[in-house]
Amino acid sequence: GDSVTQMEGPVTLSEEAFLTINCTYTATGYPSLFWYVQYPGEGLQLLLKATKADDKGSNKGFEATYRKETTSFHLEKGSVQVSDSAVYFCLTDSWGKLQFGAGTQVVVTP
Amino acid sequence: GAVVSQHPSRVICKSGTSVKIECRSLDFQATTMFWYRQFPKKSLMLMATSNEGSKATYEQGVEKDKFLINHASLTLSTLTVTSAHPEDSSFYICSARALAGGEPSSYNEQFFGPGTRLTVL
Repeated sequence: GDSVTQMEGPVTLSEEAFLTINCTYTATGYPSLFWYVQYPGEGLQLLLKATKADDKGSNKGFEATYRKETTSFHLEKGSVQVSDSAVYFCLTDSWGKLQFGAGTQVVVTP
Repeated sequence: GAVVSQHPSRVICKSGTSVKIECRSLDFQATTMFWYRQFPKKSLMLMATSNEGSKATYEQGVEKDKFLINHASLTLSTLTVTSAHPEDSSFYICSARALAGGEPSSYNEQFFGPGTRLTVL
């Protein structure tokens, strides 16, 4: 079945540091790919998405590119802020069925 | 963007009582709603999929008599935790799927509610 593997956290960074969270997936066919963010005490919010190979999703300074050849969708941000502290989830969507990664907690310190 | 609400946001109840959680799509019609459970520092676990006007489809290992799901309208689904026990304490999240505006598409985005924190004493 489908699965999503993302790097374990917590990831602790200083403000303005570069952030990468790795995500790889296995799926039948070509799923849509997402990154969701969960701020403390809140529900999941869509951060960005890509629906086909080579698409780049971007939002709030975050980017991720759909790499079919490596089945990856790594999340990057060039300069993080304290407000980026949250849990980030990588997801695949195959015909309406979501598969979640385990989530990666990111802690950004001033 | 599409908004999904949940009510209540937090609930504390005594062991043995039942608790109802509502999930509403506020500005779109959702033919399908999903209920997830999130354990501390863990990912979300899909509990069940509910389609408006029909019985919910439960994932393996989820007790359908314990977690009653009703999807009575295109904007409302409810999850009732019956005879709750402390091990049912968790963060419950719903999501709603909107059809992509009539366009032919194999993909329909899910929009998540803010979650309900259930604590059973």
